[in-house]
Amino acid sequence: RKEVEQDPGPFNVPEGATVAFNCTYSNSASQSFFWYRQDCRKEPKLLMSVYSSGNEDGRFTAQLNRASQYISLLIRDSKLSDSATYLCVVSLMEYGNKLVFGAGTILRVKS
Amino acid sequence: NAGVTQTPKFQVLKTGQSMTLQCAQDMNHEYMSWYRQDPGMGLRLIHYSVGAGITDQGEVPNGYNVSRSTTEDFPLRLLSAAPSQTSVYFCASSQQGALPDTQYFGPGTRLTVL
Repeated sequence: RKEVEQDPGPFNVPEGATVAFNCTYSNSASQSFFWYRQDCRKEPKLLMSVYSSGNEDGRFTAQLNRASQYISLLIRDSKLSDSATYLCVVSLMEYGNKLVFGAGTILRVKS
Repeated sequence: NAGVTQTPKFQVLKTGQSMTLQCAQDMNHEYMSWYRQDPGMGLRLIHYSVGAGITDQGEVPNGYNVSRSTTEDFPLRLLSAAPSQTSVYFCASSQQGALPDTQYFGPGTRLTVL
């Protein structure tokens, strides 16, 4: 079983749509949680951290459910520029605060 | 600040050749790491370092060596390249602390081993 599992997609949505991605993680000792964005053939970049209380950054909302070991990302009013791969990431204390990456969910926003 | 830089951007090797992927950061970060990214898989940690003179293995270290003689530089050496090492390699750095801070990634090196 993968440590971090995501639906690979692709999610094909029209501009203006709301889209949600889910992610599950297997290690209950996971400490911190993140969503990264990766554009085609580029390096991953932090989109947002995820907190138990939930957090919002503009059109993006992230939620964490520790009991179910589940993380979500909601994107409202999708833009063409949101097209990318979204990586779910958790951290573990081993390997000096190792980051464990999901394989990513592909989002394609179409006009 | 240049952030995290990696060279080369692209490389083609023949099986059995050796080479070094360079990584440098100018943010005075203590923590540096190397990942590889393969299709359909998440980034996997190869080696990491929590400071100059200290290195340790990640989850997939076989076939790779690292050193950390300075805070800024963290080169990754392929000892004898194999086709299984064809991948995209990312170097990353961050502040070292109780919880991971944002990791900053370099632009990647695309390696093909024939």
